[in-house]
Amino acid sequence: SQQGEEDPQALSIQEGENATMNCSYKTSINNLQWYRQNSGRGLVHLILIRSNEREKHSGRLRVTLDTSKKSSSLLITASRAADTASYFCATGNTPLVFGKGTRLSVIA
Amino acid sequence: EADIYQTPRYLVIGTGKKITLECSQTMGHDKMYWYQQDPGMELHLIHYSYGVNSTEKGDLSSESTVSRIRTEHFPLTLESARPSHTSQYLCASSDDGGPQETQYFGPGTRLLVL
Repeated sequence: SQQGEEDPQALSIQEGENATMNCSYKTSINNLQWYRQNSGRGLVHLILIRSNEREKHSGRLRVTLDTSKKSSSLLITASRAADTASYFCATGNTPLVFGKGTRLSVIA
Repeated sequence: EADIYQTPRYLVIGTGKKITLECSQTMGHDKMYWYQQDPGMELHLIHYSYGVNSTEKGDLSSESTVSRIRTEHFPLTLESARPSHTSQYLCASSDDGGPQETQYFGPGTRLLVL
């Protein structure tokens, strides 16, 4: 299975701190994506990193990919209370396979 | 905000009732998906479709059925609802697929079967 596995399962930080979430997967991939889910809502695509990329930025988001370790990390800098959500990595071609998610709580 | 819609948003229904969860998208996407997700838990793919008249079962066995008669519409039906069907159901669609596939999700339907 190409299922990603996020770590930690839950994370609680203070507003302004950085939040780091990790994703490990089992087989080779073409790309890895990160999604965000607010409570009770659908998922929203955040960022996609291709297998030949090592790092990608989007606003306060920084994603890294290490294909040799089959792992990726999502860093949210200067977190805000509005960043409170669950974050999922997804791998595979079609259909995508989602991990179990990291629940992030940012405390004001 | 993605142009993908789900109705109803919330549904409370008694055991044994037949229900249909609606999902429609206006993006012209060929690929559509249904996921089941318990609160705070992972997503489980239950059905997907790669185009009109094409439907496949996902990784999680489900007693629901789907149809794809029109590109924009992908309804999910439970012939006889049971308490074990209580969950959140998320519909998604994607464009070309392949290595660059990105999925767009609807807001979900929360189902409670009494």
